[in-house]
Order: sequence, then structure tokens, then C-alpha cells
Amino acid sequence: GAGVSQSPSNKVTEKGKDVELRCDPISGHTALYWYRQSLGQGLEFLIYFQGNSAPDKSGLPSDRFSAERTGGSVSTLTIQRTQQEDSAVYLCASSLGRRGRIPFTNTGELFFGEGSRLTVL
Amino acid sequence: SQQGEEDPQALSIQEGENATMNCSYKTSINNLQWYRQNSGRGLVHLILIRSNEREKHSGRLRVTLDTSKKSSSLLITASRAADTASYFCATDAGSTAGTALIFGKGTTLSVSS
Repeated sequence: GAGVSQSPSNKVTEKGKDVELRCDPISGHTALYWYRQSLGQGLEFLIYFQGNSAPDKSGLPSDRFSAERTGGSVSTLTIQRTQQEDSAVYLCASSLGRRGRIPFTNTGELFFGEGSRLTVL
Repeated sequence: SQQGEEDPQALSIQEGENATMNCSYKTSINNLQWYRQNSGRGLVHLILIRSNEREKHSGRLRVTLDTSKKSSSLLITASRAADTASYFCATDAGSTAGTALIFGKGTTLSVSS
């Protein structure tokens, strides 16, 4: 697609349920990022993918959070046993990232999706 | 942890005035970027300035970078009501392996007509 696509745009769930959030990056972008934004706050980094591997998972807040990326494209962020403090907007972004053997020394421009708003009751 | 911190947290100005937002960061960087976020939307990239650059312009935007002070500023000249949004600075951590951008908490700009 032309831009980064996220689904669902809105998700309301009950405490204790599992949720899956999907991100479809811009075609050809090898780097993919997940961030979380609570109401009126800045962006909290969660995880970063280069291709299918995740060099940096340091931002995942607990072991209830996991993410995967398959085929170097679509990524899924899964939150198990959701808690009320998980309520936030989850933003996905992609960037060109590494190109074959070309060294990747700079994080370039990120292209963001519109986010998935999660509300845990 | 936050790498970049914007200042002020909120800014209210009249149309036609200039708006200046500042960003401070903690570690060495490869580049610093500014993003804009309209209410309820995703972020949009505005401008990127590399660590060996001191100033950059894009339309009504002017960004400066002082690596000795670990700070940057974003100036929006001749502001318009449509500039009302939150503005974030973002930095990488300077790692040669490539890294995610770390964002500050943002400055909320309100431009009234």
C-alpha cells in the first residue's frame, strides 16, 4: 500500500483477554518499529525489527508483550492477559532500514501509521 | 527512558507570530529529527538534521543543532492556525548497528487566529 496500515484502528477489550495488533509497513521498508503513546504523552519505544529479526526488544514493558514479523513485511504485536494500564495508542512505523550489504549507520525518516487505540476495561 | 526532552511543554501564540521549541538530549547521536502530530493521528516527519550540520531550513521551518550542548531548536515562522499540533524531537542513540528513534514528550503548539 501507499502508507503504513494498522488494524484494528480501535479495540475495546476486557481485562485479562489477549489482543493482537497488526501493522503492514510500506512495501520495501526493511525496518519496522512499534511505539506506545498514552493519553497526552510522548512515544514509548517498544520494539524494533530489521527484516524478521528484532535487534532491540528493550522497550517491551513485560513478558505479556510479544511481537513478530514474518516475510520481512507484516508485524503483529500481541498483548496477553491485558491490564488497564495497557490502554494506549499503539503506533507502528517503518523506514528503509538496511539495504543488503550497505552499512546501516543512520536511522532515517520514519513513516507512521494512524495507530491502534486499545482500551482495556 | 527518554532521550529527547522538549521545552516548553505547551506554547500558545497568535497567527503570524513565530514559534520556537527546544529539545535537549543525553547521548551522542547520528541525527536528530522533528515530527509533528495532529490530534488523534500518527506522526509526520518534518525535518532531519545530521550531527555534522548546524542549521537546516525547510519552508517555514528552521532547525538548529548544537552538539556541544546536546540541544536543538525548531523555529516555525509566520505561524498559521493549521500549525496547531504537537511537535516531537527524536534521536537515535548513535549506534552504528542502527537503532530505533527515541522520542521526547513533545511540545503542544496552539495557534489562534
